[in-house]
This record gives sequence, C-alpha cells and structure tokens, in this order.
Amino acid sequence: DQQVKQNSPSLSVQEGRISILNCDYTNSMFDYFLWYKKYPAEGPTFLISISSIKDKNEDGRFTVFLNKSAKHLSLHIVPSQPGDSAVYFCAASYVRNSNSGYALNFGKGTSLLVTP
Amino acid sequence: DTEVTQTPKHLVMGMTNKKSLKCEQHMGHRAMYWYKQKAKKPPELMFVYSYEKLSINESVPSRFSPECPNSSLLNLHLHALQPEDSALYLCASSQDLRGYEQYFGPGTRLTVT
Repeated sequence: DQQVKQNSPSLSVQEGRISILNCDYTNSMFDYFLWYKKYPAEGPTFLISISSIKDKNEDGRFTVFLNKSAKHLSLHIVPSQPGDSAVYFCAASYVRNSNSGYALNFGKGTSLLVTP
Repeated sequence: DTEVTQTPKHLVMGMTNKKSLKCEQHMGHRAMYWYKQKAKKPPELMFVYSYEKLSINESVPSRFSPECPNSSLLNLHLHALQPEDSALYLCASSQDLRGYEQYFGPGTRLTVT
C-alpha cells in the first residue's frame, strides 16, 4: 500500500516560471518529509526537508509547504531553470521503533521538464 | 565530503553466480541502508544497519545477504538470484538512526540473466 503518493507522473514548465510539485500521504504518524532530486543513472540527491512542526521551509529557489490537516505537501521551485529537469521524489518518515530510525517511504516521483 | 560511493556501477550475473555489491561512505555516518528500485517505481527499503548492527530486514529473501564490516563499508552479497531481482540497488547513509537526511550513492544497476 502506497503511503506516499505523487499523482502527477510528469510536469512541464517554462524556464523562469514556477514549478509546483505535489505530494500526498496517508500515514498520520509521518513527522518528517523530504524531497529528493534524481538524474538518470545517479542516486537520489537530498534537496530540502520539513519537520511536521513547521508549515514552510525555504532554501534558495526551493520552498516546501506542509499542510498537515490535508496530509499534503508541495515543492515550489522559483524561478525554474533547465538544470532543474529531473525526477523529484517526495519521501516521508517516522520512527517505527528505537531500532528502525527514520526509514524513508518514497512516492513514485514526478518527472519535471523545464523548457527554455 | 558528502559522497557515498558504490561499486560496481553495472553488474550482469547468472542465476547460479555469487557476487557482491559494495558501498562506502566517509562522512562518519553510523546508519547505512540498502534500497532496491525497479523501473518507474520508488526506492524500496531492504536493510538498515546502525552502528554496524542489522536493525531492519524488510522481509528480504535470504538470497540477499547484507554485511557491514565497519562503519564506513556496507556490502550486499548476492547468490542464486532470479531475473525479477534485476533492479537498481541504492546504498544510503545518515548520521545515525535519528538522522532524517539520507545521502544516496549512484546505485548499482544489476541484471540477472
């Protein structure tokens, strides 16, 4: 059962405009959320994260918003650049027990294409 | 240095072969992870090591055998694999089990023939 869902498999945005990638989750125990970026033939690269006690976290061009009541988070990229073209994975975690730590649950990813 | 390295990059093996995947990090992280990723699917957790001890095995078949010789190294020993085990195998590390951010290696693309 997919606990983290990214319902848009792909997104195309013009350079300079805003990219908005969405993610929904079902498990209310998740307390930490992350976005990873993945280029072909490379491993996922950590991008930005947010704790469940916050509703917004910003890092340069990247901002993540969290709406706990809706179990929804989004990643905003402003302005979008062609180099941002990649697959973006949303991930969520919580501590299952003292031995498990923060094992990540990933969404299926959204492929972002930024066109010049 | 935030790099996690994995070798080999590509591996083709027969169903009767024995091979190993290697992962290395020099960030002083004490938690290490193996994930499996099939095409167009998200990474799925296989194993978690904390301070060189296995803390999670996500019901992975015994033909996959993890090993953590020291805090910087993580191996995945493969034996008698099936064609459906073909996938990208990703290694990751985090500061410890309380570390949220995991850093991933580039993966090993495994093909079982």
